[in-house]
Amino acid sequence: KQEVTQIPAALSVPEGENLVLNCSFTDSAIYNLQWFRQDPGKGLTSLLLIQSSQREQTSGRLNASLDKSSGRSTLYIAASQPGDSATYLCAGQETSGSRLTFGEGTQLTVNP
Amino acid sequence: NAGVMQNPRHLVRRRGQEARLRCSPMKGHSHVYWYRQLPEEGLKFMVYLQKENIIDESGMPKERFSAEFPKEGPSILRIQQVVRGDSAAYFCASSVRFNTGELFFGEGSRLTVL
Repeated sequence: KQEVTQIPAALSVPEGENLVLNCSFTDSAIYNLQWFRQDPGKGLTSLLLIQSSQREQTSGRLNASLDKSSGRSTLYIAASQPGDSATYLCAGQETSGSRLTFGEGTQLTVNP
Repeated sequence: NAGVMQNPRHLVRRRGQEARLRCSPMKGHSHVYWYRQLPEEGLKFMVYLQKENIIDESGMPKERFSAEFPKEGPSILRIQQVVRGDSAAYFCASSVRFNTGELFFGEGSRLTVL
């Protein structure tokens, strides 16, 4: 059974800092990996999708990478802003299954 | 192109009543997934459906919960005889294709059971 761990559970940084969020999977057989953002009381916004043949994706100040051999993914946020404050979730889609398995999330606070 | 639409956004039910949550996937998407987020917990998979078919319901509680995705109309998640423990946010997601496509989520339906 796939389990996803996100570290740290919470992070508070000053504005402008670069930061890294970590995600690890017990089963490294990940087909697709997605990073999401969730604001309080809201739904999930897809940030980046790393498909099976890819190792990383970039969008603006965000960069996500996936190392299948170790079952780890990182989300890098450059020059953080207060508007980046949210919970960040990673989720893996299994090779043989249909579901996304989610981590518990990292709650990020960027202080002005 | 509208996103995934869920309604109602908020639903209050008394114990023993029925709750029906609806999800309209993005245009052109034929795969629907339901997830549940209990207070202070992560998202847990419930069920995966295609039009008129349940593909994977391994995350659904064995009793009181059912889901459908008819040929016409939205997907419905139905909870019979609700209990307080059913209070949660229920999210629907859709994708174009199984296992190759990005999932897009709705804003969720927040069920409160009194």
